[in-house]
Order: sequence, then C-alpha cells, then structure tokens
Amino acid sequence: NAGVMQNPRHLVRRRGQEARLRCSPMKGHSHVYWYRQLPEEGLKFMVYLQKENIIDESGMPKERFSAEFPKEGPSILRIQQVVRGDSAAYFCASSPEAGGGNQPQHFGDGTRLSIL
Amino acid sequence: DQQVKQNSPSLSVQEGRISILNCDYTNSMFDYFLWYKKYPAEGPTFLISISSIKDKNEDGRFTVFLNKSAKHLSLHIVPSQPGDSAVYFCAARGSGSARQLTFGSGTQLTVLP
Repeated sequence: NAGVMQNPRHLVRRRGQEARLRCSPMKGHSHVYWYRQLPEEGLKFMVYLQKENIIDESGMPKERFSAEFPKEGPSILRIQQVVRGDSAAYFCASSPEAGGGNQPQHFGDGTRLSIL
Repeated sequence: DQQVKQNSPSLSVQEGRISILNCDYTNSMFDYFLWYKKYPAEGPTFLISISSIKDKNEDGRFTVFLNKSAKHLSLHIVPSQPGDSAVYFCAARGSGSARQLTFGSGTQLTVLP
C-alpha cells in the first residue's frame, strides 16, 4: 500500500481522551476518504473530504467525531472523549478524482485504535 | 441494512485449482464494483474492478463476472497460489455525492499447498 501514509499505526487511549489519526494521500490525489472497520466486519464509510472541504460526512457519528483536510498537511480524523466502542481499525483512502472515477481508491495500512 | 453481502466467511482451495469468491448486492444504483485483497495488519489492496455496463473483466489470473439481473458478482482466481491466501472484500460504488465504497464483510481465502 505504498503511497497513502497513515500514522500512527497503533494508538492506545484511555476512555475520555482524544485520538488524532493522520492520513497523507498519494501524491497527486486530492480526494480523501475515511473508513472504519470493526472486528469481523467490512469497512464502513465515514467521511469524504477534498482540500479544505468536507463533501460528505454522512457515515460519521454526529458527536465526538470530526475530520479535516487542510490546504497544507495531512487529513486528520479526530475523536474526542473516546469510548470503548471506538476501538477499531481506521483506514484512509485517496483518489485523484471524485468518487475515484475509473480509478480505484487506494488505501493506507490503517490506524489500530485501542481504548482502555 | 447490508447492501453488499459476502455470504461465505471462508473458502479453502487446493493450489493450482480455481478459487471462486461470490458477492451479492441489493442496490441497483451501484455503478462500479471492485475487489480488494487484504492481509493482516495491512490496508486493502486493489485487485480488479468492473463497470456496471460490462459483464466480465479479466486481468491475468483474476477475472470478475457481473450478473446485473441477479445482482451478483464473482471473482475467479486461476490457478490459485498459496500467496493468494488473504481476506477478499467485494466493494460497490454508490451514486451519492461522495461515491463512497460500500464493502462486504469479506471472505477468508486459504490456498493449500
């Protein structure tokens, strides 16, 4: 999965703390997607961003979760006041155009978030 | 509401034989379908895709078939190799503003040497 960089790879937080997950898209890609994978399940869409804009956040919980993709720097997925149910693998994907066009979304290796 | 379903959580195949992974969907608005392979502790890696206007796409050992009337697609791997052992996810692209991918729950393929 060279190209889409996510960090940290593993993140441990206690309940009530904040978690920040970072994603740098592939070079030349300006569209970023965040997905969450719970154990034994497929990936579920959370949010779609372009530079400085949230295009679709229909899959993101209304409270405690936020995302940004600033003009400079990586996309950030922020989870405030984490709870045990937030434990999951969070994947970022990027594409060169909206919806991927005829190009597939390319994924990073994910951040495994564990809540104690 | 699971719009993309992979009903077989696991599949074992002998090396050299054909692997067939299946996927069903319910949303007729999906216009593009993809298969991803995933190893533990890594992200999904794109394998092959097919547009809804086609019924077959082939790339080397991998062929994807789409049956729109049955809302069914399948991935054929032939010949199967031990390195193909991984979880395979079927994904469909929707018509919403994000054109985000909707994933199935995956099938663990094990290719036995």
